[in-house]
Amino acid sequence: AQKVTQAQTEISVVEKEDVTLDCVYETRDTTYYLFWYKQPPSGELVFLIRRNSFDEQNEISGRYSWNFQKSTSSFNFTITASQVVDSAVYFCALLEMDSNYQLIWGAGTKLIIKP
Amino acid sequence: DAMVIQNPRYQVTQFGKPVTLSCSQTLNHNVMYWYQQKSSQAPKLLFHYYDKDFNNEADTPDNFQSRRPNTSFCFLDIRSPGLGDAAMYLCATSRRGDPETQYFGPGTRLLVL
Repeated sequence: AQKVTQAQTEISVVEKEDVTLDCVYETRDTTYYLFWYKQPPSGELVFLIRRNSFDEQNEISGRYSWNFQKSTSSFNFTITASQVVDSAVYFCALLEMDSNYQLIWGAGTKLIIKP
Repeated sequence: DAMVIQNPRYQVTQFGKPVTLSCSQTLNHNVMYWYQQKSSQAPKLLFHYYDKDFNNEADTPDNFQSRRPNTSFCFLDIRSPGLGDAAMYLCATSRRGDPETQYFGPGTRLLVL
């Protein structure tokens, strides 16, 4: 069974629009970590955020914000006032503490920001 | 700046000709990882080192080997590359107790002719 689901394969918006990328996860662990990574066309995976299962506070970093809700097992990512440089593939990932360091990756969402 | 470095960024090899990809890090992290990523897919973990302790994923082909001569360097050896091994290879590091955030290098794109 898929443990990290990113149902949106591709999203296309016009610059300056807000956009939300969805991530739903499944785990039986009480202690786990959730991550978002950005992969621009150059290929490097850029770490954006880490959240542990005990910290449900939402986080804002500039135009980026994250909404973690354990009740719905979701960890959604919103970009406000999108820019062309935000165009990339975004991955959500889960780390379970007994996983021997293996991240469980979502399939990724390709975000296209049109000028 | 502390970072994860991969060389080369692009590697072309011939079918069956051994190839080595390299990764170095200045983060002094004790865990290093190698991932394979094919087009439009999520990265797939091949193996990782916790210090010198090697951990191979069960489905990693025997064709793939790795060496970690010291904390800073890690190598991926592909003994007999096939056409299906053409992919992006990503190196990552993490520090035990960070907790476990993985930091990635820019990747090496391998082309097999």
